[in-house]
Amino acid sequence: AQSVTQLGSHVSVSEGALVLLRCNYSSSVPPYLFWYVQYPNQGLQLLLKYTSAATLVKGINGFEAEFKKSETSFHLTKPSAHMSDAAEYFCAVKEGTGRRALTFGSGTRLQVQP
Amino acid sequence: DAGVIQSPRHEVTEMGQEVTLRCKPISGHDYLFWYRQTMMRGLELLIYFNNNVPIDDSGMPEDRFSAKMPNASFSTLKIQPSEPRDSAVYFCASSSTGVGSPLHFGNGTRLTVT
Repeated sequence: AQSVTQLGSHVSVSEGALVLLRCNYSSSVPPYLFWYVQYPNQGLQLLLKYTSAATLVKGINGFEAEFKKSETSFHLTKPSAHMSDAAEYFCAVKEGTGRRALTFGSGTRLQVQP
Repeated sequence: DAGVIQSPRHEVTEMGQEVTLRCKPISGHDYLFWYRQTMMRGLELLIYFNNNVPIDDSGMPEDRFSAKMPNASFSTLKIQPSEPRDSAVYFCASSSTGVGSPLHFGNGTRLTVT
C-alpha cells in the first residue's frame, strides 16, 4: 500500500528565506509523486509532478522538488519565500499500477513572516 | 478550459435531509474522483470512476453515501440522510488517461449539517 508522510504540520519562514517542506513516501512499486498547493477556500492546484523522467522537477511559482529513491523522499523547496506563498501544501503519491487515485499526506501549512 | 466545476459552493442543511453535490469534469478527462477534506482526517478518497464506471468505492463511508456518473460530463454525490459528522469540504477532481496524469480539482463544496 502507498502512503505519504509530511513532516511538520506548520512551517514558518521569513520573507526571502529558503522554503523547505518535507515529504516521504512509501510505495511497493515506482511511484508518481505530486505537490499541490491549497489557498483558503479554494481547491488544490498542481505545483509539480515527478513521473520518472528527471529527478529534479521544476514547478510553478519558483518551486522545485527532488526525487531521492534511496531516501524515499520528495521534498519541496523554494529559494526565496514570498508573502503570496502562504498556503497549505500537500504531497501525494500514485503507484505506477492501474490504480489512478492519489494518496495525500496530511498537509503542511506555510506561514511567511514579513 | 473552465476546469472542474462543482456546485453548490456552500450547502447548509439540517440533519436527516438529503444532500446532492454536483460535478462537471474537464472535457476529455475519463477519470473522475470524489474526495472529502476534514481537519481530523485530511483528504480522503471516497470513490472514483473510469469512463463513467465506478472503479473503487471502498472509501464511501456507509450506505448513506452514493455516487453516480450518468455521462462523461456529470457526476453527483448524494448523502441521504445527512448527519452532522458529514460536515466537510467535498472535492471533485478529474484526470486524463495517462497513468502519471495529475488530478485537476474543483473548488469544492463546503457542506454544513446542523
